Amino acid sequence: GAVVSQHPSWVICKSGTSVKIECRSLDFQATTMFWYRQFPKQSLMLMATSNEGSKATYEQGVEKDKFLINHASLTLSTLTVTSAHPEDSSFYICSAPPPGRGARNEQFFGPGTRLTVL
Amino acid sequence: GDSVTQMEGPVTLSEEAFLTINCTYTATGYPSLFWYVQYPGEGLQLLLKATKADDKGSNKGFEATYRKETTSFHLEKGSVQVSDSAVYFCALSDRLTGNQFYFGTGTSLTVIP
Repeated sequence: GAVVSQHPSWVICKSGTSVKIECRSLDFQATTMFWYRQFPKQSLMLMATSNEGSKATYEQGVEKDKFLINHASLTLSTLTVTSAHPEDSSFYICSAPPPGRGARNEQFFGPGTRLTVL
Repeated sequence: GDSVTQMEGPVTLSEEAFLTINCTYTATGYPSLFWYVQYPGEGLQLLLKATKADDKGSNKGFEATYRKETTSFHLEKGSVQVSDSAVYFCALSDRLTGNQFYFGTGTSLTVIP
């Protein structure tokens, strides 16, 4: 089946630095990818929709300048957390729907990236 | 807007007990409904899904039936095992909202021997 990968799987960084997280669809093309954030013991919260060839769509309350999203190709979306702070520590998950399957298709989720900001 | 309301946990059961995790939804159109499972330290895995009313999704002994009249998609298993300990998320995907997913808050299940 379709596979979505994320890299890195975990990252530790110092406060004030930027971190880039990659999301790749391995055997299919994804014009749209979604980025979620999951706090410990909480649900996934949609952060933004990444659109290949156009700007990302951010959910209300998500800072565009802090969470930069670039959908560089049909198989790659990146999320860059700029000037990271400890409160940005979280589990970031991406997903992608295979194209052409309408609303009935499932999302394929990446394994997640755990970010810890010291 | 679309939303999912899920039974709060945590839930602790003895092995071989019956499991029910309630899930109800609100949707603009005709959503597809899903249950995902997240084991400790791992990402989400699809457990089962149903794409239209009265469909029953099933996998690994888990079942859930898409009930349009009660807007529900309750997860059940007749006899849980220790290995079922995980967090379970109910979710919906609605074409009218661009196929994005809406998740419930998750229910943590612990099965004790």
